[in-house]
Amino acid sequence: DAGITQSPRHKVTETGTPVTLRCHQTENHRYMYWYRQDPGHGLRLIHYSYGVKDTDKGEVSDGYSVSRSKTEDFLLTLESATSSQTSVYFCAISAGGGLPETQYFGPGTRLLVL
Amino acid sequence: AQKVTQAQTEISVVEKEDVTLDCVYETRDTTYYLFWYKQPPSGELVFLIRRNSFDEQNEISGRYSWNFQKSTSSFNFTITASQVVDSAVYFCALSLNNAGNMLTFGGGTRLMVKP
Repeated sequence: DAGITQSPRHKVTETGTPVTLRCHQTENHRYMYWYRQDPGHGLRLIHYSYGVKDTDKGEVSDGYSVSRSKTEDFLLTLESATSSQTSVYFCAISAGGGLPETQYFGPGTRLLVL
Repeated sequence: AQKVTQAQTEISVVEKEDVTLDCVYETRDTTYYLFWYKQPPSGELVFLIRRNSFDEQNEISGRYSWNFQKSTSSFNFTITASQVVDSAVYFCALSLNNAGNMLTFGGGTRLMVKP
């Protein structure tokens, strides 16, 4: 157990509304990640963070923003949700030592945009 | 850019059969890292194994074994004497030793083990 929680676990929203997903970790890991999972695509990286206020884009960052004001929290925001953002969202941390560290995932958030 | 291909989208076997899940990767880097994750029906992602590009030794862990072959850019996963509890989606992933150490995932293979 890597001490990662995600909230909410399920959300239904309407097109055009803002949505924020939260990832919380309890073990002070430096790196945190947001992925989305879609059938046939595996998981794809949206954004990642390498420290407080330090973030960078991943493969599918359009339409998403992130913030990390505290080590333990990494927020993913959909400014104006679209149906194409219906997906399962996973947060991850990297841990375990070595270069690179292994990524461990949270339980996921299932988002449905109507 | 790197790429991971899991050509088998779904595999169905009967319990106690052996099954191999294929993973082929592409990268121009000489240093890279390969991973397998399991996603059972409950939805969480479980880390199974990590392998470095400079270590081609095969690995065995109980009924699980992994065959890493740089010559064919493959990192295949074999389950011996499969069990119903092995039913899951399995993902192969690649990471380079670069900023962020991001994972590139394959599309996954859904394994169904029937009793």
